[in-house]
Amino acid sequence: NAGVTQTPKFQVLKTGQSMTLQCAQDMNHNSMYWYRQDPGMGLRLIYYSASEGTTDKGEVPNGYNVSRLNKREFSLRLESAAPSQTSVYFCASSDRGEAFFGQGTRLTVV
Amino acid sequence: QKEVEQDPGPLSVPEGAIVSLNCTYSNSAFQYFMWYRQYSRKGPELLMYTYSSGNKEDGRFTAQVDKSSKYISLFIRDSQPSDSATYLCAMIISSNTGKLIFGQGTTLQVKP
Repeated sequence: NAGVTQTPKFQVLKTGQSMTLQCAQDMNHNSMYWYRQDPGMGLRLIYYSASEGTTDKGEVPNGYNVSRLNKREFSLRLESAAPSQTSVYFCASSDRGEAFFGQGTRLTVV
Repeated sequence: QKEVEQDPGPLSVPEGAIVSLNCTYSNSAFQYFMWYRQYSRKGPELLMYTYSSGNKEDGRFTAQVDKSSKYISLFIRDSQPSDSATYLCAMIISSNTGKLIFGQGTTLQVKP
């Protein structure tokens, strides 16, 4: 049972480049989330999706877009990467508030 | 003001000590409260999940919720070096939908 799978695990981007972080879950959860984690800042919510076809902004949505492709998949896109987006990104899916996390993507923007 | 406040620590205790971790929150609409544990370079894992005010116990861990004071706590008894991790509180308004909001996390070190 894979749970929540994120790809890639590591990525280095140049300022201005774009990329998409992929996330898939096999637990049939309705809710999915994207967080970023920075030292001393905890987990900050970027976007979330309460169900297939719906997405909502979290605390720090600027510079990001998301797509809930189907119930399993929720992707995060950086259109024009900036050094301030250097962070560890976590995808999660949730059933009744009990969230399960992927292993994270370490992104560095230079 | 952040919706959920948590002292980031770090907190260092000797093995066997009782550890108390706390969070306060500002939104009285939060209904479900969770504690997650995160080891270095790993994703968070659910540790405790509570709905109502009061205590919930699971082995060496006790979660406490006081909705009237908007305050939640996690107690760890007989702490072990393997408990060294970052502990994050989290809360959500609805069990089916809505934002899952985390505190900043408290880094705990249990020294042998």
